[in-house]
Amino acid sequence: GAGVSQTPSNKVTEKGKYVELRCDPISGHTALYWYRQSLGQGPEFLIYFQGTGAADDSGLPNDRFFAVRPEGSVSTLKIQRTERGDSAVYLCASSLNPGSSYNEQFFGPGTRLTVL
Amino acid sequence: GENVEQHPSTLSVQEGDSAVIKCTYSDSASNYFPWYKQELGKGPQLIIDIRSNVGEKKDQRIAVTLNKTAKHFSLHITETQPEDSAVYFCAASHSDYGQNFVFGPGTRLSVLP
Repeated sequence: GAGVSQTPSNKVTEKGKYVELRCDPISGHTALYWYRQSLGQGPEFLIYFQGTGAADDSGLPNDRFFAVRPEGSVSTLKIQRTERGDSAVYLCASSLNPGSSYNEQFFGPGTRLTVL
Repeated sequence: GENVEQHPSTLSVQEGDSAVIKCTYSDSASNYFPWYKQELGKGPQLIIDIRSNVGEKKDQRIAVTLNKTAKHFSLHITETQPEDSAVYFCAASHSDYGQNFVFGPGTRLSVLP
């Protein structure tokens, strides 16, 4: 079946611009996660959705970052007034039933964001 | 909050040899520990996981061990092959709450033919 997909695969923008990154989770997965991965580091948690609501947004670095999941499926990560330090790979993951004892997260290929 | 450390940062082995990667975690409430493999330009892929009620788990050439008392867990790959070359990440989480994973910094494994 189809895995997690993310678009675009690459995004180059200028400092100060606004960007949107999209994630399509695996069909039926209720939980969706956004992570940020800087070069040579492990993924760093940003935000977790259970259904339409953000259950945990403690990883968002500041108020320039915002994410939505209006219908409980597709999610969009929005970054305002981009800075060069925002350059990273943004990963999305989904899981079937995070409330169970089995919590495998399936990752998408990521969106590489470059802020010039 | 949880902190996960991982060693070594790079590891080179000869094809056919074994590779061991070790991780430690700080939060004794963590109870789910997955290992992910990430190839260049791709997202991480789960290769094996272990829950805190189990001390060891095997899947063909891959095994994971967990020591809850010491708060460390290890990945063992036997009979390594060139296609095992990738970056490996360990992670810890509270699976009961469906929370995010806290990842280690990664180990770049190179299997030399």
